Amino acid sequence: GAGVSQSPSNKVTEKGKDVELRCDPISGHTALYWYRQSLGQGLEFLIYFQGNSAPDKSGLPSDRFSAERTGGSVSTLTIQRTQQEDSAVYLCASSSLGGNTIYFGEGSWLTVV
Amino acid sequence: AQKITQTQPGMFVQEKEAVTLDCTYDTSDQSYGLFWYKQPSSGEMIFLIYQGSYDEQNATEGRYSLNFQKARKSANLVISASQLGDSAMYFCAMREPRSNDYKLSFGAGTTVTVRA
Repeated sequence: GAGVSQSPSNKVTEKGKDVELRCDPISGHTALYWYRQSLGQGLEFLIYFQGNSAPDKSGLPSDRFSAERTGGSVSTLTIQRTQQEDSAVYLCASSSLGGNTIYFGEGSWLTVV
Repeated sequence: AQKITQTQPGMFVQEKEAVTLDCTYDTSDQSYGLFWYKQPSSGEMIFLIYQGSYDEQNATEGRYSLNFQKARKSANLVISASQLGDSAMYFCAMREPRSNDYKLSFGAGTTVTVRA
């Protein structure tokens, strides 16, 4: 597709389980971002990938969170041993290097019960 | 320190009227970019408009315009001729491309409700 694609769109998981969220950026976009948005809140930066450079992981809230980007394209955000406070919308975005437009996907709504 | 400040948590506007959403930012960089996004209740983040710090003209995109006052570090969004479909959360964001760090910093957002 033409836009940023995220899956799953909705995920309900039990506390303590691991989850994987996938992001497929716009073709050709070298920059990829993950953000988290809790209910009624603003966006919290998690991690940023740019080409082959080392990712900026400064926003990851704990070591239970990790992300990888394979082949400079698809990215997976993994949350291990999920907690209820991990419930949020996880938004992925992509842009071309230095591009003036950063496009977001529709998000993955995660609910930890 | 808060990089993006949006002081209006919520606003009501009458259909067909204009509304201004405030955004101030904090940076010591000379080169930066400012963005506005719309987030309807469905949750997707929709890009509206971009202003570069070196752009001399205020950015415009259809009914959206950005009132950029660099000296005051202000980047207010103006929505003209409001429509019911404009009801949403609006976020101001900044990107500071230092050391190839292009991540966006977002404000807390402003909820706009358009009344018929």
